[in-house]
Amino acid sequence: QKEVEQDPGPLSVPEGAIVSLNCTYSNSAFQYFMWYRQYSRKGPELLMYTYSSGNKEDGRFTAQVDKSSKYISLFIRDSQPSDSATYLCAMTQGAQKLVFGQGTRLTINP
Amino acid sequence: SAVISQKPSRDICQRGTSLTIQCQVDSQVTMMFWYRQQPGQSLTLIATANQGSEATYESGFVIDKFPISRPNLTFSTLTVSNMSPEDSSIYLCSVDGGRVDEQFFGPGTRLTVL
Repeated sequence: QKEVEQDPGPLSVPEGAIVSLNCTYSNSAFQYFMWYRQYSRKGPELLMYTYSSGNKEDGRFTAQVDKSSKYISLFIRDSQPSDSATYLCAMTQGAQKLVFGQGTRLTINP
Repeated sequence: SAVISQKPSRDICQRGTSLTIQCQVDSQVTMMFWYRQQPGQSLTLIATANQGSEATYESGFVIDKFPISRPNLTFSTLTVSNMSPEDSSIYLCSVDGGRVDEQFFGPGTRLTVL
């Protein structure tokens, strides 16, 4: 079993839709939960991170962590074509080493 | 944030040969990382490279196959040795800025082995 599982998609939705991206994990020691966005032929860039459980909102993006279920989510409201990218969840215990999910390829159709 | 460049951006190589990938950062950093991103797979950490010490390799990766150099605080190289088609992947350099939200990635090197 992988430490972090993420549905690779691909996921295609119309512009303006709400997008939900999810990851599950098995290591209960993870404390920091990140979402990275990776455009084609670019390196990943950090979108949001959350410490422990709870929600965090940044503009159209909301990250949720449910440690009891070992489940994290990223919601994108009012999705835009510029949101089309691969979204990777990542987790760490805090000691620099990140463990990544497979990434979900998202396409927002105008 | 740190600006990271990698060379080459892509290459096509013959099996049995070696390729050295360079990573240059615009600021001094203590920790640099090398990742592999295979098609349809997650980013997998190959090794951690600290200046002035031997690189630390993750399970499944060995120094003979992926030798790493870290001559100073702004530069590192990763060599993929004796390549096979299974080494076809994107190789990414990353640096740690000291906080959880300060891990930055280079654009990657897209390697195809024939």
